[in-house]
Amino acid sequence: EVQLVESGGGLVQPGGSLRLSCAASGFTFHNYAVSWVRQVPGKGLQWVSSISTSGRDTYYADSVKGRFTISRDNSKSTLYLQMNSLRAEDTAIYFCAKLPGVIILDYFDYWGQGTLVTVSS
Amino acid sequence: EIVLTQSPATLSLSSGERATLSCRASQSVFNYLAWYQQKPGQAPRLLISDVSKRATGIPARFGGSGSGTDFTLTISSLEPEDSAIYYCQQRTKWPQTFGGGTKVEIK
Repeated sequence: EVQLVESGGGLVQPGGSLRLSCAASGFTFHNYAVSWVRQVPGKGLQWVSSISTSGRDTYYADSVKGRFTISRDNSKSTLYLQMNSLRAEDTAIYFCAKLPGVIILDYFDYWGQGTLVTVSS
Repeated sequence: EIVLTQSPATLSLSSGERATLSCRASQSVFNYLAWYQQKPGQAPRLLISDVSKRATGIPARFGGSGSGTDFTLTISSLEPEDSAIYYCQQRTKWPQTFGGGTKVEIK
């Protein structure tokens, strides 16, 4: 069974940093591209970032480019999102999502339950 | 970026009725469109990919159609457990984008 378990969310002050993790199991992690998608509570979905199977290729939404860094450790089957210079508008539930294969621009076939990030003073 | 507009915002129907949800793209997404279902407090679940391909385990009452810029998700006979928000998503161009969602309520 595919499982994605996010952690690392919490309350952080504007300008602060946070690192999210997503532990994957139930599939061969290094064979699949993965992404982060966020959702302001009660609002819609926004793609944040995606990473290729090797980690060499990364993509970001304009709203987070230069502040967020996606990475993965295939030896640990774990995805990360380093978030710096956080703003109030980054407050959201962050979901880790698996893609169906190696193609980075694709659908999201499995999702974690999400971790809440709150940016507030 | 490609903007996806979903309508209606809310659909209130009775069990057994047919639900028709619309997703319109600001430019052609060819057939690279998916639908997701999200229930309160849960993560989204992939229902349909590439306009009409049901994901594993998705009941046959869920169907997708359309091409280019106009797409439809049809739930042929609503069940109480279909109460949720439904989102469309395109994967034609970066950034992949989602529609604003349609809330389906069961009377």
